[in-house]
Amino acid sequence: DVKVTQSSRYLVKRTGEKVFLECVQDMDHENMFWYRQDPGLGLRLIYFSYDVKMKEKGDIPEGYSVSREKKERFSLILESASTNQTSMYLCASSLGGTQYFGPGTRLTVL
Amino acid sequence: AQTVTQSQPEMSVQEAETVTLSCTYDTSESDYYLFWYKQPPSRQMILVIRQEAYKQQNATENRFSVNFQKAAKSFSLKISDSQLGDAAMYFCAYRSARSGTASKLTFGTGTRLQVTL
Repeated sequence: DVKVTQSSRYLVKRTGEKVFLECVQDMDHENMFWYRQDPGLGLRLIYFSYDVKMKEKGDIPEGYSVSREKKERFSLILESASTNQTSMYLCASSLGGTQYFGPGTRLTVL
Repeated sequence: AQTVTQSQPEMSVQEAETVTLSCTYDTSESDYYLFWYKQPPSRQMILVIRQEAYKQQNATENRFSVNFQKAAKSFSLKISDSQLGDAAMYFCAYRSARSGTASKLTFGTGTRLQVTL
């Protein structure tokens, strides 16, 4: 079974803090993704990566950056957290068309 | 750009009954994939069913089946013999077959399914 794990299920941070969300997959997948999920908006793609050190902006990259130094790990970085970044963050990986999701991190920025 | 629309924010079904969740999409492409994902409360998102646009036959996975109408750009999910464990948020998603190096998905806004006794 594909396993995608995320470093935290729940996270509370203060405005202006630098926040790191980690995602690890164990299936040697080329592609990894970060989404944010908000009620009534579905899932929106923030960034994705198709190889180590390669990344592309998704639909809502503003205020975020990513890092992929190893194939199995994809990090989402909030350089200076703001209250409008309070959300559920989902990581996914894929090989071919089907994406496999992690459990999500619910981030609250106070 | 492709869009995916789920017009039913919430649905309810009685246990053992059948329910159909609607999804429409907009694309100018002819080759693509469609998915239904299930997200149970506080649990991980999992793939329910996948349909390739070039296949005329509707995909089926146990109690889950789809009605894929390519000309109408419609992709509904039918759940037969509904069970309490089917209660979840269901997302319809689209992926172009020409996504290039990465398989980007476009999601609908979701339908919350409630299953009652």
